[in-house]
Amino acid sequence: EPEVTQTPSHQVTQMGQEVILRCVPISNHLYFYWYRQILGQKVEFLVSFYNNEISEKSEIFDDQFSVERPDGSNFTLKIRSTKLEDSAMYFCASRGLTGGEQYFGPGTRLTVT
Amino acid sequence: GNSVTQMEGPVTLSEEAFLTINCTYTATGYPSLFWYVQYPGEGLQLLLKATKADDKGSNKGFEATYRKETTSFHLEKGSVQVSDSAVYFCALKLSGGSNYKLTFGKGTLLTVNP
Repeated sequence: EPEVTQTPSHQVTQMGQEVILRCVPISNHLYFYWYRQILGQKVEFLVSFYNNEISEKSEIFDDQFSVERPDGSNFTLKIRSTKLEDSAMYFCASRGLTGGEQYFGPGTRLTVT
Repeated sequence: GNSVTQMEGPVTLSEEAFLTINCTYTATGYPSLFWYVQYPGEGLQLLLKATKADDKGSNKGFEATYRKETTSFHLEKGSVQVSDSAVYFCALKLSGGSNYKLTFGKGTLLTVNP
């Protein structure tokens, strides 16, 4: 069964460093998403991406964040200068053209020290 | 704004016990409602959904009914198994548009003991 994969499973970085979180969505999907969950808090929407551009972003997704689909398979989230409060679990999701179900990856746990 | 509030965990039950995880929502318009489950080390998986008032979603013995009058979508299972141990997330999606972004609750950790 096709699945969304994410790498790495855990990333530790120092404050101020850049990180790139990687996702491989399901191959025939067209809509891509990033969500995050700070420990003990809700899963929050960050950004959605369709047709090589951002279709919606939340207030969390400021200029420090960017997304890219550099090739036909990967979907990345970049944080340019990490802050302590960026420590969270980051989930990638994708969905096809028809139907609304989003398929989620297992998440990347980002720890900023 | 739109929000989902679900029962704080953790919830610990013995096998074959009855499960209820409460979920209420606030939304503009008429949302679709979902329960997602996350097993250890895995991604969020759709467990069940309901798209309009009075719909009942069901899957793997779990059920939830979309109650517009109480803005609720409580998850129930009559007899839980050890394999049901996971984190359960209630979520909503507003109707209309094409973006389909989900608004989640905090998640409820369920542990079922043999």
